[in-house]
Amino acid sequence: NAGVTQTPKFRVLKTGQSMTLLCAQDMNHEYMYWYRQDPGMGLRLIHYSVGEGTTAKGEVPDGYNVSRLKKQNFLLGLESAAPSQTSVYFCASTRTVHYEQYFGPGTRLTVT
Amino acid sequence: ILNVEQSPQSLHVQEGDSTNFTCSFPSSNFYALHWYRWETAKSPEALFVMTLNGDEKKKGRISATLNTKEGYSYLYIKGSQPEDSATYLCAFGLGNQFYFGTGTSLTVIP
Repeated sequence: NAGVTQTPKFRVLKTGQSMTLLCAQDMNHEYMYWYRQDPGMGLRLIHYSVGEGTTAKGEVPDGYNVSRLKKQNFLLGLESAAPSQTSVYFCASTRTVHYEQYFGPGTRLTVT
Repeated sequence: ILNVEQSPQSLHVQEGDSTNFTCSFPSSNFYALHWYRWETAKSPEALFVMTLNGDEKKKGRISATLNTKEGYSYLYIKGSQPEDSATYLCAFGLGNQFYFGTGTSLTVIP
């Protein structure tokens, strides 16, 4: 039982490049989330999904897209990376907001 | 944007001291309030999930209370130990989303 995993752990991109972050969970959770963590800002919600095939915008969705084609996977895409997207990205999953979230180990992304 | 505030921002205590932090959130449309413990270089881990006004939860030396009518939750640590050093986050659940505070950074000095 791996819980929540994220791929990759680290990445450096140049401005304008694209990439996809993968989050996978093996707990059969319906709800999955992508957050970014910046110094002094706490965790901010980018996008989330309440089930396979569904996605919704969070607090800071601009510049990101997501897909949830399979229940266990939640992908976060950056189509044209910008230095402002330099951050640590965390994925989390849960049954509903009434249950604890399980977090992945994080992906540290630097955009130069 | 929904405001979740935590205080203090940071705290240094001596080993053996008891301490507490505050999480403030909107008092309307309450769904759930979560507390997470976040150690450096790790991921946040859940401490408590509280859903009812007056909820009190306890795990070892750590406990939490919830007042949804006035919009606050307290986290208490009794007899702090160096291994309690971490950032403590609260998250307000509303609908399908979570809104996190910026956390309280606790350092326990041996």
